[in-house]
Amino acid sequence: NAGVMQNPRHLVRRRGQEARLRCSPMKGHSHVYWYRQLPEEGLKFMVYLQKENIIDESGMPKERFSAEFPKEGPSILRIQQVVRGDSAAYFCASSWAGLAGEQFFGPGTRLTVL
Amino acid sequence: TQLLEQSPQFLSIQEGENLTVYCNSSSVFSSLQWYRQEPGEGPVLLVTVVTGGEVKKLKRLTFQFGDARKDSSLHITAAQPGDTGLYLCAGGDTGFQKLVFGTGTRLLVSP
Repeated sequence: NAGVMQNPRHLVRRRGQEARLRCSPMKGHSHVYWYRQLPEEGLKFMVYLQKENIIDESGMPKERFSAEFPKEGPSILRIQQVVRGDSAAYFCASSWAGLAGEQFFGPGTRLTVL
Repeated sequence: TQLLEQSPQFLSIQEGENLTVYCNSSSVFSSLQWYRQEPGEGPVLLVTVVTGGEVKKLKRLTFQFGDARKDSSLHITAAQPGDTGLYLCAGGDTGFQKLVFGTGTRLLVSP
């Protein structure tokens, strides 16, 4: 009964490189959410996806960030040309539509930009 | 912009004491979740409340959703060192989509 899986758990990138964060939702869940937790700040919503569709990306920075949830495989959060301000913990959550907003979180990916 | 303010921000108590954490907003939420987060880990869901006035109990933890669905409280009875952690409330917007997280309460329970 695996929970939400995220990999890698830790990712180090130099400024200007690309970061790819992966999330596999809980079995039976078709809704994926990405949140970011900056140092000493709270969790902030980034994007909400269903299979092959972006439903709400209102929390996503307009440039350099993109997300997808393909028909097969994990959801990917992609950050191009990373900057030091992108250093944060990125959490993925999944839910089964109809369960009153219950979202179950993965362990997170901690991105460090040098 | 929906905001959730939690109080207190920090709480340090002795084992066996009772405590209450508050989560307040000027916005109405369709649901309210409470999570606990350990250092280096993701938030773990404790409870979801969806009905105004709803009270849920989970062993020594009691959760309440305000009548107007704008606020919530978490009460812990006879706290134990294992209760130490960051407690987060999160409000679900209409359509049960994105969660708006509270500012968090760091609890330390000493033996």
